Amino acid sequence: QSVLTQPPSASGTPGQRVTISCSGSNSNIGTNYVHWFQQLPGTAPKLLIYRNNQRPSGVPDRFSGSKSGTSASLAISGLRSEDEADYYCAAWDDSLNGPVFGGGTKLTVL
Amino acid sequence: QVQLVESGGALVKPGGSLRLSCAASGFIFSDYYMSWIRQAPGKGLEWVSYISSRGSTIYYTDSVKGRFTISRDNAKNSLYLQMNSLRVEDTAVYYCARGGGVDYNDIWGQGTMVTVSS
Repeated sequence: QSVLTQPPSASGTPGQRVTISCSGSNSNIGTNYVHWFQQLPGTAPKLLIYRNNQRPSGVPDRFSGSKSGTSASLAISGLRSEDEADYYCAAWDDSLNGPVFGGGTKLTVL
Repeated sequence: QVQLVESGGALVKPGGSLRLSCAASGFIFSDYYMSWIRQAPGKGLEWVSYISSRGSTIYYTDSVKGRFTISRDNAKNSLYLQMNSLRVEDTAVYYCARGGGVDYNDIWGQGTMVTVSS
C-alpha cells in the first residue's frame, strides 16, 4: 500500500463542495510540501496544487489545498462534471529519502 | 510552448531491454531536475527515477535499482531511461516530467507504453 493514504473514491453533485484527504506521517507530510495532481480519463497527470496551497496559472480558484500536521486536503468547490478524474497527492519522504504518491482518489460527479 | 515528448515504448519479452527518450522544448532544460514516473494499467502513479539538472544527483525506486539507468543530455535537451532485465511488473505507461527531488513536477509528457510479456 502507499505511504500516503487517500480514500479510493469520492463523489458529489454539480455545484457541491468536496474534499479529498491525504494522510501521511512526520517523515513526509509533517515536514515537507504536499502537491496534488489531477488525471482526467485517458490523459497524463496535471499539476493542480503545489507547495500545499499554491495554484499554477490556469488552475481555477475552485481548487484549493491545505495542510495540517500530517494530513493534507484538496477541496473542490462548485463541482463540475469535467472535474471527474483521479486525484493524487505527493510529498517527499525523509525516511525513504525519496518522493511518494498517494494511492489516488477517483472522483465521480453524480 | 513548454513540451515533453516521450518515445521508445514497445512490447518486449521478460529479460529484455528498452531505452526510453524524452525530448524537451520551450524551456531551459539544463535548469531543471527531470523525472520518470510510471503507471501500471489501472493502477496509481509511482516514481521510477529522477536526475538533477547537471546529473550529479540520481534517485531510483527500490524495485528498479540495478536494472534501470537514468541519464540526460543537456546539449540535446533530452532525458533517457535505459531499462534492462525487464520484468512483467514493469509494464506501465512511463511519463517524463519536469522537476523532481523534493519539489513538484509541473510539466508532464503524454506518456509512452512499455509492455513486458512473453
